[in-house]
Amino acid sequence: DAGVIQSPRHEVTEMGQEVTLRCKPISGHNSLFWYRQTMMRGLELLIYFNNNVPIDDSGMPEDRFSAKMPNASFSTLKIQPSEPRDSAVYFCASSSRLAGGPKSTGELFFGEGSRLTVL
Amino acid sequence: DQQVKQNSPSLSVQEGRISILNCDYTNSMFDYFLWYKKYPAEGPTFLISISSIKDKNEDGRFTVFLNKSAKHLSLHIVPSQPGDSAVYFCAATEYGNKLVFGAGTILRVKS
Repeated sequence: DAGVIQSPRHEVTEMGQEVTLRCKPISGHNSLFWYRQTMMRGLELLIYFNNNVPIDDSGMPEDRFSAKMPNASFSTLKIQPSEPRDSAVYFCASSSRLAGGPKSTGELFFGEGSRLTVL
Repeated sequence: DQQVKQNSPSLSVQEGRISILNCDYTNSMFDYFLWYKKYPAEGPTFLISISSIKDKNEDGRFTVFLNKSAKHLSLHIVPSQPGDSAVYFCAATEYGNKLVFGAGTILRVKS
């Protein structure tokens, strides 16, 4: 079975350019999460969706960051304009938590990450 | 304001010995705790978890202990193996909502 698929795996861009990261969650999962990993802060939650609806975007650092989930099988994280401090590994994760359903254990399945370098 | 803290950035252990990774949390509403393991260039993978109604959960060489009064949990690996060398993340959730992660601890198991 395919896991969470992220693209690109590596992205090098110049400051000021637009960056778009893509994610395909595991089929049947209805929750999707975007995390950012840095040396200083570890794994930070940026935003998460449930049934394609953004539930909590309080972790999105600035208005330069935006995320969409147009359907159950695709999500994007966009940074415009990008800055050197945005350099990090960005992970997408999905889970099968049911909205309003039984309490979930919260287990997430992560993609391999997109390593972003902004010069 | 970090709700989940892993105060040891790294740990080095001899093969065959016990590895103990620690984690503290501040939110008393957390009701489920998880440990994830991450190898370089890969995403984190689930390792073991524990509900707040328990104080211990064991899975093979891995045991997680929870001390609710101290808001502390630990992961014990016995015996440690070189393949256990990785970054270990502690995470917590409230009612199955978003997972909050710690900063991670790098474990090195020396052969």
